[in-house]
Amino acid sequence: QSVLTQPPSVSGAPGQRVTISCTGSSSNIGAGSDVHWYQQLPGAAPKLLIFGDMNRPSGVPDRFSGSKSGTSASLAITGLQAEDEADYYCQSYDSSLSGSSYVFGSGTKVTVL
Amino acid sequence: EVQLVESGGGLVEPGGSLRVSCAGSGFSLSDYAMHWVRQAPGKGLEWVSSITSTSTYMYYADSLKGRFTISRDDAKKSVYLQMSSLGPEDTAVYFCARDRGTGALDLWGQGTMVTVSS
Repeated sequence: QSVLTQPPSVSGAPGQRVTISCTGSSSNIGAGSDVHWYQQLPGAAPKLLIFGDMNRPSGVPDRFSGSKSGTSASLAITGLQAEDEADYYCQSYDSSLSGSSYVFGSGTKVTVL
Repeated sequence: EVQLVESGGGLVEPGGSLRVSCAGSGFSLSDYAMHWVRQAPGKGLEWVSSITSTSTYMYYADSLKGRFTISRDDAKKSVYLQMSSLGPEDTAVYFCARDRGTGALDLWGQGTMVTVSS
């Protein structure tokens, strides 16, 4: 059971906008911990897509954007393209009475219809 | 070329030990905290361990129960993960990754497969 909850799948037609939610709690996202997002294409290593809630590394298209509010974060993909079909993961830092660690979301598969 | 290359994966019997390595090139590994992340077949990403740039601090996932040890040798531009008391649940691709700050992992290796089976 992941500490960060994501929908298992989302889908959209080419050109559409899709969003992926990442729901945490007061011990991670709600505590102000940064949220990062990764894209993992089939058979490949993950790639950093968004860091620090809403920042894009160099080379990442501006079709990808991140936001955060309260105990949740979201990744939006606008102008969906076939090459965006992949698994997406959020990541944050969790600190509770039982200990602290980095945590990943459960992952969301994006399908381009 | 800036890259990370993992090695050392393979088949190990339950209860056995294995050390996987990660070699960095094209950048100054000593400037960065480094992480290990694993992915069981068909499953999601799981954070395993991290080590600060000066080896001052090492962190581990609670689920590992003290079986894994992370280390680094900046002279060899390498990071290591020593794994012991391995069980089938440790079967996964093990990725090493560079931390650009606040845990954002901006450079990943291709991964090395560890299979625990008799």
